[in-house]
Amino acid sequence: AQSVTQLDSHVSVSEGTPVLLRCNYSSSYSPSLFWYVQHPNKGLQLLLKYTSAATLVKGINGFEAEFKKSETSFHLTKPSAHMSDAAEYFCVVSDGLLNTGTASKLTFGTGTRLQVTL
Amino acid sequence: EAQVTQNPRYLITVTGKKLTVTCSQNMNHEYMSWYRQDPGLGLRQIYYSMNVEVTDKGDVPEGYKVSRKEKRNFPLILESPSPNQTSLYFCASTPRGGGLGNEQFFGPGTRLTVL
Repeated sequence: AQSVTQLDSHVSVSEGTPVLLRCNYSSSYSPSLFWYVQHPNKGLQLLLKYTSAATLVKGINGFEAEFKKSETSFHLTKPSAHMSDAAEYFCVVSDGLLNTGTASKLTFGTGTRLQVTL
Repeated sequence: EAQVTQNPRYLITVTGKKLTVTCSQNMNHEYMSWYRQDPGLGLRQIYYSMNVEVTDKGDVPEGYKVSRKEKRNFPLILESPSPNQTSLYFCASTPRGGGLGNEQFFGPGTRLTVL
């Protein structure tokens, strides 16, 4: 079984300050982990993904995340927030064992809404 | 342009009136999936399909049906909608073996209201 917990439902930062969105996961096997972003009234866009290669993953728009197996965490960070970063962010886990040419099971966190203020 | 399309984008209906939400992808992906998004619950998988004529239940399948007669299309059917199916629905597709690093491509969403 797999699960993901996003520790904050809402995060507010000032423009130009760092962003930290926290995610913890649980998986029976080697997971794949993703961060998706959803801007208001839009679909979901992939920010970055971890698939057992480098533990520090760089994504689009200056975001990055570090996979820490010992802490079962995959926190999303950005050095300097921009107004356009205001959106909802979803941490997603996929059980690696299932991805052997069969079905892809994604489990979504409940989301973190990022607010960026001037 | 590679994309997943959904129709309609917005729908208001009444309890019990059958409806279909269409989903189509032009990327020749084998795997397709339907999710519903509700406040505070994230996205939950309703049904998925590994290929043509192969479908299976996700986490919240009750009240929904799907079919996969063609590779590109994966319609979501609500035979008798109820108010608790009011939600935002997303269709997604990914290539074979998706999940192991393969991005799921999401449609723009369908906002359904059942009165």
